[in-house]
Amino acid sequence: DIQMTQSPSSLSASVGDRVTLTCRASQGITNYLAWFQQKPGKAPKSLIYAASSLQSGVPSKFSGSGSGTDFTLTISSLQPEDFATYYCQQYYSHSYTFGQGTKLELK
Amino acid sequence: EVQLVQSGAEVKKPGESLKISCKGSGYTFTYYWIGWVRQMPGKGLEWMGIFYPGDSDTRYSPSFQGRVTMSADKSISTAYLQWSSLKASDSGMYYCVRGHRELGVDYWGRGTLVTVSS
Repeated sequence: DIQMTQSPSSLSASVGDRVTLTCRASQGITNYLAWFQQKPGKAPKSLIYAASSLQSGVPSKFSGSGSGTDFTLTISSLQPEDFATYYCQQYYSHSYTFGQGTKLELK
Repeated sequence: EVQLVQSGAEVKKPGESLKISCKGSGYTFTYYWIGWVRQMPGKGLEWMGIFYPGDSDTRYSPSFQGRVTMSADKSISTAYLQWSSLKASDSGMYYCVRGHRELGVDYWGRGTLVTVSS
C-alpha cells in the first residue's frame, strides 16, 4: 500500500491567517491526490481533486499544488468555518489510502 | 442534485450479521464507483474498498479483505456493505462515497453508525 503522511498533525492559527498543510506519498502518485475537510460530527467534504482542481462549489480560498510525492493545501484568509480537520488521499493505486489528518485549530 | 442516502444507525451483538445500504440518486449509478470509508470514534478515515456498479468489480483494502462484502443492486441504485459475523472492533461510522477515476471522491453520504456490543 502507498502510505500518506500529513504534516503537521495539528496547527494553531488565527482568523485571517494563510496556512499551508503538507501531504507526502511513500511513492509517486502523479497527481492522483485529493483533499477533504471534516468538521466535528459531520461527514467529510470533498475540496480538491487531481492535486489542484477545486470540486464544484468549493471557494477559491482553497488551493492545492504538487505532483509526484509532495503536495500542499493552502487556505487563505482563514475564517471561523475553516477550522476543521483536513485529510489527503491518494487514488493512484488501490487501496486509496488517506493521510492521518491535520487538525486546524483556532489560536 | 447528487445524493447518497445511507441507512440508519445499527446496534448489534458480536457474531451477528449486518448489511447497510447507500442509495444513490441524481446521477447514473453505473457511471461512478462507490467506495466505503470507516471512521472509528475519535480517529481518522480508513479506506475500505471500492465497488464498480457497472461490472461489479470489487477491490478491497487489505485491512478489510475477508471481513466485509461490498455489493450493489443496480435496479434500485443502491450499494451495500455487509458483515457475516460482527466483532466489537467493527464499531464505527461508515461512509459511502461516490467517485470517478479522474475526479476521485466527490460526494459523501452522511454515514451509518454501527455499534457492536454484547
